[in-house]
Amino acid sequence: GAGVSQSPSNKVTEKGKDVELRCDPISGHTALYWYRQSLGQGLEFLIYFQGNSAPDKSGLPSDRFSAERTGGSVSTLTIQRTQQEDSAVYLCASSLRGGSSYNEQFFGPGTRLTVL
Amino acid sequence: LAKTTQPISMDSYEGQEVNITCSHNNIATNDYITWYQQFPSQGPRFIIQGYKTKVTNEVASLFIPADRKSSTLSLPRVSLSDTAVYYCLVAPWGNAGNNRKLIWGLGTSLAVNP
Repeated sequence: GAGVSQSPSNKVTEKGKDVELRCDPISGHTALYWYRQSLGQGLEFLIYFQGNSAPDKSGLPSDRFSAERTGGSVSTLTIQRTQQEDSAVYLCASSLRGGSSYNEQFFGPGTRLTVL
Repeated sequence: LAKTTQPISMDSYEGQEVNITCSHNNIATNDYITWYQQFPSQGPRFIIQGYKTKVTNEVASLFIPADRKSSTLSLPRVSLSDTAVYYCLVAPWGNAGNNRKLIWGLGTSLAVNP
């Protein structure tokens, strides 16, 4: 079975442009997480979806960041008016259940975003 | 929310046992402790999870004392391929409602030398 996939694997953009990052979770996984990891740093939690709902958006760094999930599957993380400090690897993870239990998270390979 | 503290880096040699300790003084009653391994340019990978005492699987053991304020990941007979960053994550189990904000530490960078 396929694991978590993310696209693009690399994205180079100019400051001020908008970008969309995509995550395809493992089929049947209801929970989906987005993280950001800067060079040499740990994981910074961004947002969590249970189904299509994101109960807690407080991890998003600013109002330039938004995320949605449709059909309980694919999720898109959008960054508007990108800034150089947005440069990082964006990781997506899914798990079989969330909310009522904490299950193992399966991570995708990440999208490396570079803002020039 | 519990926060974790781990050594920034550790060095070891092939064939040795490696123990990485994570401190989580403010762990809550419904928190579980999970360890992940991350290789360069990859997402983290689950290693082991536990609540108390000792858990063992085919790759590692996890020791959790009675007060649960720390935990120790034990890797037996490490090899060069165990060189990676190891993260300790404390997160709630059970019906945590909508609070799924997960706080990851900086991890421990383990270097296994020949």
